Parts: sequence; structure tokens; C-alpha cells
Amino acid sequence: DARVTQTPRHKVTEMGQEVTMRCQPILGHNTVFWYRQTMMQGLELLAYFRNRAPLDDSGMPKDRFSAEMPDATLATLKIQPSEPRDSAVYFCASGLVPGAGTKKQFFGPGTRLTVL
Amino acid sequence: DAKTTQPPSMDCAEGRAANLPCNHSTISGNEYVYWYRQIHSQGPQYIIHGLKNNETNEMASLIITEDRKSSTLILPHATLRDTAVYYCIVSSSGNTPLVFGKGTRLSVIA
Repeated sequence: DARVTQTPRHKVTEMGQEVTMRCQPILGHNTVFWYRQTMMQGLELLAYFRNRAPLDDSGMPKDRFSAEMPDATLATLKIQPSEPRDSAVYFCASGLVPGAGTKKQFFGPGTRLTVL
Repeated sequence: DAKTTQPPSMDCAEGRAANLPCNHSTISGNEYVYWYRQIHSQGPQYIIHGLKNNETNEMASLIITEDRKSSTLILPHATLRDTAVYYCIVSSSGNTPLVFGKGTRLSVIA
């Protein structure tokens, strides 16, 4: 089964440190999404890419978050400097647009980030 | 994209059908109804989607009313592993991504 993979699965860091999360989308998918989930806010879209180009990153705090796709097999989400309020589970998802069921997204297992 | 309204929680006895409702009274003609679920500590999982007609796959059935203002996701024989948060999302087929609401927390009880 093709799956979205994310690394690391868990990350504990101290405030002020840089955090990099990685995602490998499903081969052949052209759209990649980054979501953040907290108890208070639920599942929020941070940014998404199509064919490696950023389409929308309005959900990200621009001063500290950055998202990139160095190539079609890797998406990264970086936080620098990290803050305790960034503690959350970060999900990556991929999909194929256009295609049948264009909003059919496949989610990775998430990166659980704790910033102390 | 049209907003959806779902009950915050529901219970279902194991082995019985779970019927999860969703209201989307402002749905537009080109908007699909998508259902996802999220089992604890996992990423959301696609279940099914539809436009006008009822749909069925190996996981569930989706019943959309004729006026398209509401829909029901049916898990025909719920198991304990179906305990999850179920999200109903209405979205066009264009470039806009899915927006997740709070969903319905389904508890399947033995």
C-alpha cells in the first residue's frame, strides 16, 4: 500500500530551537498539504503545494514557519524559532489534482511536536 | 465552500448500523460531500464522497438527500475499531483544499 510517511514521529525540543519536519508524499501525487492539530483549534491547514509550487501558505505564521518542496518526493516544514504554543501534531497529506475525487487526500501518521 | 453541521457525539452498539448525519443547507451545485474519519492518534482517513447520487464502497454508504441539503454516512455493521471522529466536508472540485470542522465523535460500544 502506498502511504505518506512523516519523520520524525515525535519531537521534543526547547523553546527557541529550530524544528524541521519531513514528509514523503505518495509517488505520483502532485499536491501536498500541511495541517496542524491541537485540542483547542482542531485540524488547521497551514500550507499546500501543487507540482511543488506553493499555492497557499496563509495559515502559517510567516515570521517563524516555512514550508518547501525541494523535490517531488520531499516536503519540509520548518519552525525557527520554536515556541511552546507550536506544540501540536503536524500532519502531511498528499493527493492528485485533477483526478477522480479531487479532494481525496491521504494523510501521514503525523509528527507530534512538544516545545518546552 | 459550504458549511456543515454535525452532532458533536454519537454512540452506537457494536454490530449495529451507525448513521451519522450532516447538514449542508447552503451547498452549491458543484460541491461534493466528503467524509473522513480520524481514529485516535492517527491521521484522518478518507471514507467516501459523492455529488448527487448515493454512493457505496467497502467502508461505508453515503446517502444524499434529493435537495442535497443533508447527507448521512452509514457504517452498516459498526465495530469497536470504527470508534473515531467523523468529518463531513463540503467542497468544490477546484483548487481549494479541504477545511475540517469539529466532526462527530462516534463511540462504538460493546
